[in-house]
Amino acid sequence: DVKVTQSSRYLVKRTGEKVFLECVQDMDHENMFWYRQDPGLGLRLIYFSYDVKMKEKGDIPEGYSVSREKKERFSLILESASTNQTSMYLCASIADRVDQETQYFGPGTRLLVL
Amino acid sequence: LAKTTQPISMDSYEGQEVNITCSHNNIATNDYITWYQQFPSQGPRFIIQGYKTKVTNEVASLFIPADRKSSTLSLPRVSLSDTAVYYCLVGTQRGAGSYQLTFGKGTKLSVIP
Repeated sequence: DVKVTQSSRYLVKRTGEKVFLECVQDMDHENMFWYRQDPGLGLRLIYFSYDVKMKEKGDIPEGYSVSREKKERFSLILESASTNQTSMYLCASIADRVDQETQYFGPGTRLLVL
Repeated sequence: LAKTTQPISMDSYEGQEVNITCSHNNIATNDYITWYQQFPSQGPRFIIQGYKTKVTNEVASLFIPADRKSSTLSLPRVSLSDTAVYYCLVGTQRGAGSYQLTFGKGTKLSVIP
């Protein structure tokens, strides 16, 4: 059974703090994604990675960075957290072909920035 | 990248068939269409995927017309547990081993007893 795990389900941080959100998958998938989900806006892609040390910007990368040092781990970094980054963050892991039914999401991290 | 448009919400009675249509006017030749289901406080869960014509699995059917500018998710005989948000996605292959998913804003389906 494929597992995508995220380091925290709930997180509370203060404005200006550096925040790390970790995502780990156990299926040797090449592609990993970070989304944020906000009411009325659906899921919006922040960054994605199709290989170790490779990353590409999604639709809303501002204020975020990512790290993929190992294939199974994809980290989202908020360099200086702001209140408008309060959101649900979802990580996804996908095999290397878009037509394969191997797309899995983690349970999400609900981040509150005070 | 193809953008998707779907109704914000739908209501249905238990036992009815529900059809949710998504438009994706600028879908590219190699793009695939995928639907996800999401319950509150959970990550989205894969339902079905297709390229053209009709795909059926144990939980849903997906109808895609020849021009592929829209797709319809069909849920047979819905129950209260099908109350969720349903997302239509277009997956774009960007190159060897790389592709990007574009989510719509989702359709909130409420099943009424």
